[in-house]
Formats: sequence, structure tokens, C-alpha cells
Amino acid sequence: SYELTQPPSVSVSPGQTASITCSGDKLGDKYASWYQQRPGQSPVVVLYQDITRPSGIPERFSGSNSGNTATLTISGTQAMDEADYYCQAWDSSTYVVFGGGTKLTVL
Amino acid sequence: QVQLQESGPGLVKPSETLSLTCTVSGYSISSDFYWGWIRQPPGKGLEWIGSRYHSGTTYYHPSLKSRATMSIDAAKNQFSLRLTSVTAADTAVYFCARYSTSFVFDYWGQGILVTVSS
Repeated sequence: SYELTQPPSVSVSPGQTASITCSGDKLGDKYASWYQQRPGQSPVVVLYQDITRPSGIPERFSGSNSGNTATLTISGTQAMDEADYYCQAWDSSTYVVFGGGTKLTVL
Repeated sequence: QVQLQESGPGLVKPSETLSLTCTVSGYSISSDFYWGWIRQPPGKGLEWIGSRYHSGTTYYHPSLKSRATMSIDAAKNQFSLRLTSVTAADTAVYFCARYSTSFVFDYWGQGILVTVSS
């Protein structure tokens, strides 16, 4: 079955750049999406089709996807960005797959 | 504005069947898109359960395929999940969501906590 691997946690100082990776076999050949989930809330999509921001998502959220790794980058990280982040892709064998999630801490 | 709302019992006994319904407003589920269920055990990550198109095409997580059934009631603009033979491991917040043609869950319900316990 297809799996996506994320680091359990990432820490960043306010105003700095945070990068969260998502690894999977030939992930670059698939579309990756990223979700932000704050405690007690439903996930919210922050990026889809690797690099596209939905309406209302700040420009500081950007993405890339190549080879086996997709990356969510948050530039000028703010305290409000502290949350859990999940990557997600579609695979022909396992269909919808989520990564294990990364807890972003803004110190 | 598309909105989704989960409903169903918050407590299910072990070995029984979990049944949840998602009511959609602001969009006709017969028009397009897949409609899915995702769950999140307490303190853990997201797990996709299944997605169904209004025409009937359905995909399930391989590990849940033998126990999960999704259905759609177009007249009520609802879709449902049945999960049989539940155990404590099925205790989770269950979310319903719309799966867009961009391969992303773009609209989510608020989630419903289902506890499996006697």
C-alpha cells in the first residue's frame, strides 16, 4: 500500500520560514494537497495540486513537489500558523492517502 | 456556500454497527464530485475511510473495505456511512467532506465523535 511520511514535529521562530516535508514513492508524479488543522477544528486545505492556494489562504503558504518529496513552505511564520499539517495524495492502489501529520510549533 | 453536517449516535457498543449521515447544503450531491468520510482517532492523524460518486462508484480504504459501506440519498441530499463489527479502535472523530476534481477535500463537516464502548 502507498504511504506518505511526514516529520512528527517542526519548530520555527516567528517571522522565519517553516518547511514541512511529505515523502512517498514517486510522489512528484501525483498531486499533493496540504491541510491545516487547529485543535478542535476540522482540517482546512491550504494548498492543492502541489502549489495552488485556495481563496483566502495567505500568500505566505507555498508548495513544491518533485521526485519523492512534496514540501509545504510557510514564509514569515506567524503565531496563528501553529497547527497540525497533513499532506494528502491519490494513489491508484490505495486511493486517498494522508500523511501522519506534522505539528508545527511557533516558538 | 457548501456546508456539510454529520449526524448519528455518539456511542456504539462493540461488535455493533456504526451509522452516520452527512447532510449537504448549498450544493446538490447529484451534480458532481465524490463525497467522502475521514476519521481521526483521539490524538492521532487523519485516516480516509471511503469516497462515493453519486453514480455509485465507490472507493474504500483497503483495510476497511470489508466493514464499510457508503450510500447516497439524492432526494435528501445526504450520504451515509455504515461500519460493521466495530471495536474500540474505531473510536474517532468522523468527518464527512467533498472530494473535488482537484484531488482535494475542499469542504468538511465539523466532525462527530463516535465512541465505541459497552
